[in-house]
Amino acid sequence: SQTIHQWPATLVQPVGSPLSLECTVEGTSNPNLYWYRQAAGRGLQLLFYSVGIGQISSEVPQNLSASRPQDRQFILSSKKLLLSDSGFYLCAWRGRGWYEQYFGPGTRLTVT
Amino acid sequence: AQSVTQLGSHVSVSEGALVLLRCNYSSSVPPYLFWYVQYPNQGLQLLLKYTTGATLVKGINGFEAEFKKSETSFHLTKPSAHMSDAAEYFCAVSLLGKLSFGAGTTVTVRA
Repeated sequence: SQTIHQWPATLVQPVGSPLSLECTVEGTSNPNLYWYRQAAGRGLQLLFYSVGIGQISSEVPQNLSASRPQDRQFILSSKKLLLSDSGFYLCAWRGRGWYEQYFGPGTRLTVT
Repeated sequence: AQSVTQLGSHVSVSEGALVLLRCNYSSSVPPYLFWYVQYPNQGLQLLLKYTTGATLVKGINGFEAEFKKSETSFHLTKPSAHMSDAAEYFCAVSLLGKLSFGAGTTVTVRA
């Protein structure tokens, strides 16, 4: 069966510090991968998605970037965090030919 | 563009009562529709999905939803609420591999 992992589970970072969140999927190959952010009062916002290694599409202009160095690894990064980057970050995957997405447990990021 | 609207940001029900969460969609093509549940500080869990075929879809935890094309709706129901149903529920529609989510409905269950 497939599983999706995210780490860290929680993170407190000062403004201006760098960020790296990691997501890995097991039990499937060549998945589509997604990064979402949930911020208070703003619902679920799609940040990036990837259909393959090195292929990243950005949905909104922002202070963040994403990379996919391996088939089942998706990384969310920032060089300098802003207060507005605080939120709950969710990674999701979708199998080829599927319609539904499956979500990881999330990372709670607080920028202070 | 595809979108969904969830009617009611908060719903409060008594334990054992019917749970009804409303979702209306907008789509220029036959939609693929989903309901997800999120418990505090957890990721989203797929409750059920409609892609093609039977319009009454059964999901996990006793939930079901009915796709009504004429009403552009995909309402979620559960006949008898349990305390464990307290969570936030999201309706979503799929387009080109991406999901567009509603704003969510928080369900509170009263003992």
